[in-house]
Amino acid sequence: ETGVTQTPRHLVMGMTNKKSLKCEQHLGHNAMYWYKQSAKKPLELMFVYSLEERVENNSVPSRFSPECPNSSHLFLHLHTLQPEDSALYLCASSQDSGASYEQYFGPGTRLTVT
Amino acid sequence: GQNIDQPTEMTATEGAIVQINCTYQTSGFNGLFWYQQHAGEAPTFLSYNVLDGLEEKGRFSSFLSRSKGYSYLLLKELQMKDSASYLCAVVDSNYQLIWGAGTKLIIKP
Repeated sequence: ETGVTQTPRHLVMGMTNKKSLKCEQHLGHNAMYWYKQSAKKPLELMFVYSLEERVENNSVPSRFSPECPNSSHLFLHLHTLQPEDSALYLCASSQDSGASYEQYFGPGTRLTVT
Repeated sequence: GQNIDQPTEMTATEGAIVQINCTYQTSGFNGLFWYQQHAGEAPTFLSYNVLDGLEEKGRFSSFLSRSKGYSYLLLKELQMKDSASYLCAVVDSNYQLIWGAGTKLIIKP
């Protein structure tokens, strides 16, 4: 238990569906992250939030839309996804958004797009 | 481009020692992380090296040579629960975290 929770743990959706992933951290951290993890590939950073402000967006397609209503919660809204978006989506938090800070990860949402 | 290289998979025997290597070519260097990820679980922090040398933490040690662009994670007295993926990540000059693809470690009895 790392102090970062994610729901749902598994999600199957069609390409025309709209769904949201939720992340919550109980660590009092100021920064939160969304990553995509595909088999045998490096973690891909998608979004970074620091104190609820988005500080980084690594050219992610607009079909992924993040939302950070407060420093403890992070959402990833999904719409009109493609089969290649099937992956494990990991949320993480850290004390601050500097990359030298240890990140605490949630267990991930396993997403399958059919 | 920036690149982190790790072996894809390694196999070792329970009770033995294994060394997982990580080489990197990045634009600058501001530290290197090792994370452990069990199948279906969250990555968890193992170590952070920013200066050359060996840092020991129980059965796990991490080594860094900045001049060689090289690090390794050393696991001693291997246990079955050490079966996991081990992720290497480097902080570059822009304080971006560059991740390797991970090394899957299989421990056999």
